[in-house]
Amino acid sequence: AQTVTQSQPEMSVQEAETVTLSCTYDTSESDYYLFWYKQPPSRQMILVIRQEAYKQQNATENRFSVNFQKAAKSFSLKISDSQLGDAAMYFCVVYSSASKIIFGSGTRLSIRP
Amino acid sequence: DTGVSQNPRHKITKRGQNVTFRCDPISEHNRLYWYRQTLGQGPEFLTYFQNEAQLEKSRLLSDRFSAERPKGSFSTLEIQRTEQGDSAMYLCASSLAGWVGAEAFFGQGTRLTVV
Repeated sequence: AQTVTQSQPEMSVQEAETVTLSCTYDTSESDYYLFWYKQPPSRQMILVIRQEAYKQQNATENRFSVNFQKAAKSFSLKISDSQLGDAAMYFCVVYSSASKIIFGSGTRLSIRP
Repeated sequence: DTGVSQNPRHKITKRGQNVTFRCDPISEHNRLYWYRQTLGQGPEFLTYFQNEAQLEKSRLLSDRFSAERPKGSFSTLEIQRTEQGDSAMYLCASSLAGWVGAEAFFGQGTRLTVV
């Protein structure tokens, strides 16, 4: 079975500052992917960034980057230069071809102007 | 193809009535997922299909819930004898299995209110 834990229900950051959202997971699969999805208020879920578990290099997508620690089963998301449009629920997700997509409980990120 | 489409977007129903939601995935996607999401919570897995085969159904799902994906294309989720606790957003997502890295694309959801 796969589980995903997000221990920060809410986070707040000053505009232009950096924030890190935490995620730990557990899976028995050897081949899996990790994702961070963003869900703005009343809007559609969209992909922020993906990480292949077999890759040691941390994924980066513009202002978004991850810190993937495979042995510790940790997958945190760092948002640099936070913008007002980053305010949303962020979900950490584990996915393998042999199993379903599993979501964490989410972290609500607010941006202070 | 503009993405995953869910209909209706909103549904208000009286307790005890049956409701059916439809999801049209991205055309080449062979996997289709249904999730339920309540306010402020993460999506809760309901069931998923690969082509027309239903691979898994959540044990949390009562017998009042049923899903189908005839011919491996669109999918329907039916809730019979609705209860107030069924009020939630129902999300559909699709992906391309076989390429593990393929992301899941989500529809805008169907918001169900049971009164």
